[in-house]
Amino acid sequence: NAGVTQTPKFQVLKTGQSMTLQCAQDMNHEYMSWYRQDPGMGLRLIHYSVGAGITDQGEVPNGYNVSRSTTEDFPLRLLSAAPSQTSVYFCASSSDGLAEKEFFGPGTRLTVL
Amino acid sequence: AQSVAQPEDQVNVAEGNPLTVKCTYSVSGNPYLFWYVQYPNRGLQFLLKYITGDNLVKGSYGFEAEFNKSQTSFHLKKPSALVSDSALYFCAVRDMLGDYKLSFGAGTTVTVRA
Repeated sequence: NAGVTQTPKFQVLKTGQSMTLQCAQDMNHEYMSWYRQDPGMGLRLIHYSVGAGITDQGEVPNGYNVSRSTTEDFPLRLLSAAPSQTSVYFCASSSDGLAEKEFFGPGTRLTVL
Repeated sequence: AQSVAQPEDQVNVAEGNPLTVKCTYSVSGNPYLFWYVQYPNRGLQFLLKYITGDNLVKGSYGFEAEFNKSQTSFHLKKPSALVSDSALYFCAVRDMLGDYKLSFGAGTTVTVRA
């Protein structure tokens, strides 16, 4: 089991550029989430999905899009990058249920100039 | 709305001494509570969780946490800290009556000195 994988590990963008952060899991988990981590703010939920074809907004969704066409993949799209989106992004997955723990990927460090 | 507070940005202890990391929460219904640890340049790793039942929960690496409903707290503890416990610790909560969203505290940096 590879668990939760994320690519790329590092990315530098210019303001206004777009890109997709990739996330995949091989544990057949129904639930997947994207978080951003900023110093002193913990992790904030961007978007989440409770199954293929179903997505919903988290705490800080503006500027980001997601889709869930398969159980395994949950890409995060930045439509027009802004310096405020400089952050570390984590993807996570869990099996069905509110009491289940999350498995986190290694993260993507994004810098927007 | 649900939320988590970790009142201490940093905790410093000597190796072999007890370690406590504080967490308080707010939910509408009953809470599902979690502790995660993050080592430098790594993703978060699950330590333990409280769902229901015994208020003292035991987890990985010798950590335990005590749920206190009247004080809405879920403090993380370790009887004898190790230098290798130095890391960033996050408390998180879901509302049993809510949706899937998981809310995290701001994190507490633990430094254990030799």
